[in-house]
Amino acid sequence: EVQLVESGGGLVQPGGSLRLSCAASGFIFRSYWMHWVRQVPGERLVWVSRINADGSETSYADSVKGRFTISRDNAKNTLFLQMNSLRADDTAVYYCARDGSLPDYWGQGTLVTVSS
Amino acid sequence: QSALTQPASVSGSPGQSITISCTGTISDVGGYDYVSWYQQHPGKAPKLMIYDVTKRPSGVSDRFSGSKSGNTASLTISGLQAEDEADYSCCSYAGSSTYVFGTGTKVTVL
Repeated sequence: EVQLVESGGGLVQPGGSLRLSCAASGFIFRSYWMHWVRQVPGERLVWVSRINADGSETSYADSVKGRFTISRDNAKNTLFLQMNSLRADDTAVYYCARDGSLPDYWGQGTLVTVSS
Repeated sequence: QSALTQPASVSGSPGQSITISCTGTISDVGGYDYVSWYQQHPGKAPKLMIYDVTKRPSGVSDRFSGSKSGNTASLTISGLQAEDEADYSCCSYAGSSTYVFGTGTKVTVL
């Protein structure tokens, strides 16, 4: 069974940093591209970032480019999202998702709140 | 990276069919056969219902079907059931390794 479990969310002040993790199991993690997607509760899903299977290629939404960094550790079956220079509008539930041409399996999400 | 346009809400009675549209541009929906649809119940993670415009993952009811014409993709739910009441979102590949989601549609079963 595919499982994705996010962690690392919490309350952070504007301008601060946070590192999200996503532990994967139930599939061959090193063979799949992975995504981060965020959602303000009650609002629409927003694509954030994607990384290819070996971690050599990454892409970002314009709203996070230069502030967020996606990475992975295939030996530990873990996906990461390093978030720097956080702003209030980064407040959202952050989901990791496996790529099956587009996101297919999703984790339950971790809440990031940026507030002073 | 503008969001794909979906109707805010769609409703139908049990047993009826409803269709949700997802309108983009030639740079996303119209340019690629990579459109997916997700069902999301309150407080839950999205669940994949349709991928690659028309394909249905194993375990998803055949009451759900997808199609595309030009820059607009559509999700049809036939034989509407109470359990189908949820939020539905589309997603498309948008080129240059980027992706875009729709504005979301709340489906209500009357």
